[in-house]
Amino acid sequence: DAKTTQPPSMDCAEGRAANLPCNHSTISGNEYVYWYRQIHSQGPQYIIHGLKNNETNEMASLIITEDRKSSTLILPHATLRDTAVYYCIVKENFGNEKLTFGTGTRLTIIP
Amino acid sequence: DADVTQTPRNRITKTGKRIMLECSQTKGHDRMYWYRQDPGLGLRLIYYSFDVKDINKGEISDGYSVSRQAQAKFSLSLESAIPNQTALYFCATSWGGERTDTQYFGPGTRLTVL
Repeated sequence: DAKTTQPPSMDCAEGRAANLPCNHSTISGNEYVYWYRQIHSQGPQYIIHGLKNNETNEMASLIITEDRKSSTLILPHATLRDTAVYYCIVKENFGNEKLTFGTGTRLTIIP
Repeated sequence: DADVTQTPRNRITKTGKRIMLECSQTKGHDRMYWYRQDPGLGLRLIYYSFDVKDINKGEISDGYSVSRQAQAKFSLSLESAIPNQTALYFCATSWGGERTDTQYFGPGTRLTVL
């Protein structure tokens, strides 16, 4: 059973903020939310992760709801190079080491 | 220079042939992984290794074997390739000492079995 639900596709205008939602209603207390992306057929690239606090790094921001049942990845100023499939993954740190990639959201940045 | 390299990048082979895909990393990570990706689908874990003496099966290990020759090298073998093993194969690494599980992926090997 899938642990996360993401929309299959989204469009965003270049220069605007891209907001990618993810539902993970069955997340457990020790599971983190990870985001990866895959540009065309390249290897997936780590973006960001968090447990319950909002996180920000040089690539993106991660907003996790207080009940932790959903989250949003924000790319603040999307560029054409951000066109990719974005994967939201929940998993424990340590123990079960498997990253389970679903089908993700295909984000297309429109010029 | 890439931290995680895979060879070959592309390979076409015939049914029944033995194939080895190689992965090397310069990140100094102790953990290495092999995934496959089929068109339109996410990645599925084949095998993973936490150190040189540790090998673990993933969700789709049948038909595959691995060898961890050194901390920096992790090879995937298809003993007798079949057409439904045609896929994109990715190697990944991570550091078990971190309090995260960030994995770093190689560029992939596109394998076609005729």
